[in-house]
Amino acid sequence: AQTVTQSQPEMSVQEAETVTLSCTYDTSESDYYLFWYKQPPSRQMILVIRQEAYKQQNATENRFSVNFQKAAKSFSLKISDSQLGDAAMYFCAYRSGNAGGTSYGKLTFGQGTILTVHP
Amino acid sequence: DAGITQSPRHKVTETGTPVTLRCHQTENHRYMYWYRQDPGHGLRLIHYSYGVKDTDKGEVSDGYSVSRSKTEDFLLTLESATSSQTSVYFCAISEGGLANRGQYFGPGTRLTVT
Repeated sequence: AQTVTQSQPEMSVQEAETVTLSCTYDTSESDYYLFWYKQPPSRQMILVIRQEAYKQQNATENRFSVNFQKAAKSFSLKISDSQLGDAAMYFCAYRSGNAGGTSYGKLTFGQGTILTVHP
Repeated sequence: DAGITQSPRHKVTETGTPVTLRCHQTENHRYMYWYRQDPGHGLRLIHYSYGVKDTDKGEVSDGYSVSRSKTEDFLLTLESATSSQTSVYFCAISEGGLANRGQYFGPGTRLTVT
């Protein structure tokens, strides 16, 4: 079974600065997808960014980028030019890329990291 | 935003009573999921569905059952609620197939079992 670990329960950053959230995972699969979700106080789960394991290029979405190290099984999220609206709980998630059978699409989540942004 | 609604949004119930949570989608996605969120555990999968009347257990399925009689609706039932089932429950949907867009989540239901 796959596991996802976020070792930073809480992180803080000054507005306009850069912060990196860590995520490691354990899997024996070679084909999979990784995601970062944001959960603001409203409780809504928002997909921030995704990475396909077969792609060597790190995904980027505006101020959000990832550092995907497949051999190290590491998937960190970098938030540049942090804004007050970035304050939220962030979850790392893993999904098998195996399209066979009925297991397709299930996500395994890390424990989450609470990000505080200071003005 | 994906069209996913959950009802009720909040519920307080007593130990031993049955509770049903509803998830409704307007996206016609094949896959639907129920998760619970608890501090220190992230989100954990309870049950999921890969089609009408096709469901399977997740990692924390004890005490829960599900049903899916229509593509758009996925029901989660607590047959006899316990205090350990106090949690926030999320429904999610996915296109499945070769789609790699991840899952889209409903707004969540906060359930308190007293």
